[in-house]
Amino acid sequence: QVQLVQSGAQVKKPGASVKVSCKASGYTFSSFGINWVRQAPGQGLEWMGWILAYNGNTNYAQKFQGRVTMTTDTSTSTAYMELTSLRSDDTAVYYCARFLSGFGDYWGQGTPVTVSS
Amino acid sequence: EIVLTQSPGTLSLSPGESATLSCRASQSVSSSFLAWYQQTPGQAPRLLIYAASSRATGVPDRFSGSGSGTDFTLTISRLEPEDFAVYYCQQYGSSLFTFGPGTKVDIK
Repeated sequence: QVQLVQSGAQVKKPGASVKVSCKASGYTFSSFGINWVRQAPGQGLEWMGWILAYNGNTNYAQKFQGRVTMTTDTSTSTAYMELTSLRSDDTAVYYCARFLSGFGDYWGQGTPVTVSS
Repeated sequence: EIVLTQSPGTLSLSPGESATLSCRASQSVSSSFLAWYQQTPGQAPRLLIYAASSRATGVPDRFSGSGSGTDFTLTISRLEPEDFAVYYCQQYGSSLFTFGPGTKVDIK
């Protein structure tokens, strides 16, 4: 069965960087893209960007351009999202989701990231 | 960038009743790229509907989606206790995803 398993919770100081991993199983990793979506406490879903696993092409939401980098390692079927220059308002749960044809059909369990001094 | 607006913000209903949730786009959206998700507290979103009206695998037939252009609807007939949740619409266009702000369906 398709599974996306994300790395564990992290606490970071303002100005630091965070890298979240998303390990896929149960499907051909390179045949799909991976979306990254975040959710601040008590708020809605916010799309951050996507990466195509087969060629590494990315498209980032304008809000995150310059601060986010998405990568994949096809040898381990793992996607990564790194966010730099963290601020307190980056405190959120970060999700990865498999996507094809414009929607996310399988989601990771989420990775809480807390930014606090 | 296409902006999605959902209404109402909160819908208070009793089990067994039906729910009608609206998603309106600031410009026309391809029906192929309109999806609905359900999220319960502490859980990841779950895909319910894709391509405006196709149910995802395992989704009960009491969930149905409709609409085109700028107006889309998610209907839940005969609400079950597990259906009380937040529902988000999402569109994909020009290589960008956007989500609506969500509609919370809570128990009256």
